Amino acid sequence: GDSVTQMEGPVTLSEEACLTINCTYTATGYPSLFWYVQYPGEGLQLLLNAKKADDKGSNKGFEATYRKETISFHLEKGSVQVSDSAVYFCALSDPGNQFYFGTGTSLTVIP
Amino acid sequence: GAVVSQHPSRVICKSGTSVKIECRSLDFQATTMFWYRQFPKQSLMLMATSNEGSKATYEQGVEKDKFLINHASLTLSTLTVTSAHPEDSSFYICSARALGLAGTDTQYFGPGTRLTVL
Repeated sequence: GDSVTQMEGPVTLSEEACLTINCTYTATGYPSLFWYVQYPGEGLQLLLNAKKADDKGSNKGFEATYRKETISFHLEKGSVQVSDSAVYFCALSDPGNQFYFGTGTSLTVIP
Repeated sequence: GAVVSQHPSRVICKSGTSVKIECRSLDFQATTMFWYRQFPKQSLMLMATSNEGSKATYEQGVEKDKFLINHASLTLSTLTVTSAHPEDSSFYICSARALGLAGTDTQYFGPGTRLTVL
């Protein structure tokens, strides 16, 4: 079945460091891919998404490219801020709109 | 963007009581809503899919008599945890499907409800 595997955390970075959170997926069809962010005590917020191969999603300095050849959707940011501290979830949506989530990666950015 | 609200955001109750959680799509109609459960430091687990006007579809291992779901209108779904026990303590998150451009679907998530059963 469809599934998502993402890099385990926790990840701790200094402010202005580069961030990469790896995400790979397994899907039988042509899924849409998502990154959601969860701040402490809150629900999930859509960070970015991509609907087909080679699409790039971007928001708030974060980027991820849907790469079919490597079945990946890695999240990147060139310079993280303290306010980026959160848990990040990679997810895919199959053609039936069933969502599959990764286990989440906790990011802590220290000043 | 589409907004989904949940009420209450936090609830503490005694063991044996029932708790109702509401999920509302505020600026769009949602024919389908989803209920997830999240344990501490874990990912979301889909509990059930709620379709307006019909019975919810529960995932394997989720007790339908324990977690009652009612999707009364295109903007409201409710989850009732009946006879709650401490092991039901969790973070419950709903999402609603919004039909986007060119028929593509996107799910929008509510802020979650923290349930603590004493």
